[in-house]
Amino acid sequence: DQQVKQNSPSLSVQEGRISILNCDYTNSMFDYFLWYKKYPAEGPTFLISISSIKDKNEDGRFTVFLNKSAKHLSLHIVPSQPGDSAVYFCAASALNDMRFGAGTRLTVKP
Amino acid sequence: DTGVSQDPRHKITKRGQNVTFRCDPISEHNRLYWYRQTLGQGPEFLTYFQNEAQLEKSRLLSDRFSAERPKGSFSTLEIQRTEQGDSAMYLCASSDLALAGGSDTQYFGPGTRLTVL
Repeated sequence: DQQVKQNSPSLSVQEGRISILNCDYTNSMFDYFLWYKKYPAEGPTFLISISSIKDKNEDGRFTVFLNKSAKHLSLHIVPSQPGDSAVYFCAASALNDMRFGAGTRLTVKP
Repeated sequence: DTGVSQDPRHKITKRGQNVTFRCDPISEHNRLYWYRQTLGQGPEFLTYFQNEAQLEKSRLLSDRFSAERPKGSFSTLEIQRTEQGDSAMYLCASSDLALAGGSDTQYFGPGTRLTVL
């Protein structure tokens, strides 16, 4: 069962514009959410996280928003840069259980 | 660089052979996780250790899969009698979860890509 879903397999944006990646989850027990970035032939790299007690966390160009009532989180990248082109995975965690979405491939065009 | 390391990075084997992968976590991280990732999917949790104790193994894919972390430092994942369906990327991650129920940020290694012919 897919408890974490990323419904957009790909996203293309122009350099300098905002990238918005979305993620939905079904398990209300999840209390910690993370975004990872993955380049080809490398493992996922931790990007940013948010606890369920918050609705926003910001780190430089990256902001994660959490809407608990909608069971939805999003990652905003602004401004987008060509080096941001990668596959982005959202993950949700409850105690010792972490589930990942299938990923969204972001392409930032110069 | 003191990140998570995995060895080998690539493994090609014939069906029916046994394979073993090694993971060295970030120094002093008490938790170590194993995941499998197939094409077009996110990492799929297999098992994890808190120090040397394997606290969850019900999600190992079959009894052909086993993992150890004998001294609470590095870990090995073994797949016996490999099948073509075992071909995937095997990822290791570690974290420093000090408190039960605390936030668990996992840091991943580069993975071992297994190809079963």
